[in-house]
Amino acid sequence: QKEVEQDPGPLSVPEGAIVSLNCTYSNSAFQYFMWYRQYSRKGPELLMYTYSSGNKEDGRFTAQVDKSSKYISLFIRDSQPSDSATYLCAMSGTGGFKTIFGAGTRLFVKA
Amino acid sequence: DTGVSQDPRHKITKRGQNVTFRCDPISEHNRLYWYRQTLGQGPEFLTYFQNEAQLEKSRLLSDRFSAERPKGSFSTLEIQRTEQGDSAMYLCASSLGRKLTETNYGYTFGSGTRLTVV
Repeated sequence: QKEVEQDPGPLSVPEGAIVSLNCTYSNSAFQYFMWYRQYSRKGPELLMYTYSSGNKEDGRFTAQVDKSSKYISLFIRDSQPSDSATYLCAMSGTGGFKTIFGAGTRLFVKA
Repeated sequence: DTGVSQDPRHKITKRGQNVTFRCDPISEHNRLYWYRQTLGQGPEFLTYFQNEAQLEKSRLLSDRFSAERPKGSFSTLEIQRTEQGDSAMYLCASSLGRKLTETNYGYTFGSGTRLTVV
């Protein structure tokens, strides 16, 4: 079993829809949770960063962490075609320099 | 500073040849990481440097792989006697951590070097 599980999709939604992306994990030592966005043929770009449980909002993006369920989510409101990319969840432990990534979910937002 | 720079962007090599990739991190970042990403997968950790010290190597990094970061600035990743299974995107990332135990707050990645072994 992988430490981080993420549905690879693809997920296709119409422009303006609310998108929900999710990951589950097995290592309870994870304390830091991140979402990266990766466009084709580019490196991942950090979108959101959350420590421990709770919510964090940044513009159209909201990250949620539920450590009791070992479940993290990223919500995208008013999705745009420019949001079409692969979204990677990632996590690390306290003092950890090694980040474990999910496989990524491919998102397509149709105009 | 324009971010993390990787060179070359693409490399095609014949099986059995040696290849070397270079990464120039963000200048004030003291941590540097190498990851490997294959199609449809997330990045997999290969190795990590804190300044010039290589502090961790993944079991993915076989004896054919070696990484260096002389003087704590740029880094090189060399693959000797390449195999077709080495074909992947090799990603370099950097971050700032003042203390050894300071937690990583997220990386800045380069655009990667895409290696194809034929």
